[in-house]
Amino acid sequence: GAGVSQSPSNKVTEKGKDVELRCDPISGHTALYWYRQSLGQGLEFLIYFQGNSAPDKSGLPSDRFSAERTGGSVSTLTIQRTQQEDSAVYLCASSVGTVPGTGELFFGEGSRLTVL
Amino acid sequence: AQTVTQSQPEMSVQEAETVTLSCTYDTSESDYYLFWYKQPPSRQMILVIRQEAYKQQNATENRFSVNFQKAAKSFSLKISDSQLGDAAMYFCAYRSAQGGSEKLVFGKGTKLTVNP
Repeated sequence: GAGVSQSPSNKVTEKGKDVELRCDPISGHTALYWYRQSLGQGLEFLIYFQGNSAPDKSGLPSDRFSAERTGGSVSTLTIQRTQQEDSAVYLCASSVGTVPGTGELFFGEGSRLTVL
Repeated sequence: AQTVTQSQPEMSVQEAETVTLSCTYDTSESDYYLFWYKQPPSRQMILVIRQEAYKQQNATENRFSVNFQKAAKSFSLKISDSQLGDAAMYFCAYRSAQGGSEKLVFGKGTKLTVNP
């Protein structure tokens, strides 16, 4: 597709259930990011993938959160045993990678997660 | 760690007038990039303008311009001739120019209302 695609657009789940959020980046973009946006807050960095390098997981808030990127393209963010505080919009972004001076991230429309 | 502060949670402007959104950041690095992103109600973040720290000239993109004050660590966004379509959340972001530090650090955002 032309842009970053995320699914589902909205997800309502019960506390304790696992959820998977999917991100399909722009073709050819080697860098992929996950951010979390809670109500009234800025964007909180979660994880970053660059090519075949080990991902930067420094932003994951707990071990209930994990992400993988298969074949250098599609990424899945998994939240296990969801809690109400996990309710947020999860934004995925991709970029051309480490080309100096660009830094432009292309964002998807996000997945809104509501944990009841 | 770098931090980005947007001290104005909300701003409003009359259509056709000019508004300035403030952003300050904290870093010990000398080389970095700064960005302003716009997030309309659709949730998709869009790059508005970017500035390389090594460039003294302020970046300009049509009606959008920045006032970059490196010594003061200030990076404000000026929107001239405001239009109704400018209404959105605006996020200031910082990115290190050092290799391996690809993530963007975002402020909490400023909600801009444009009054007709």
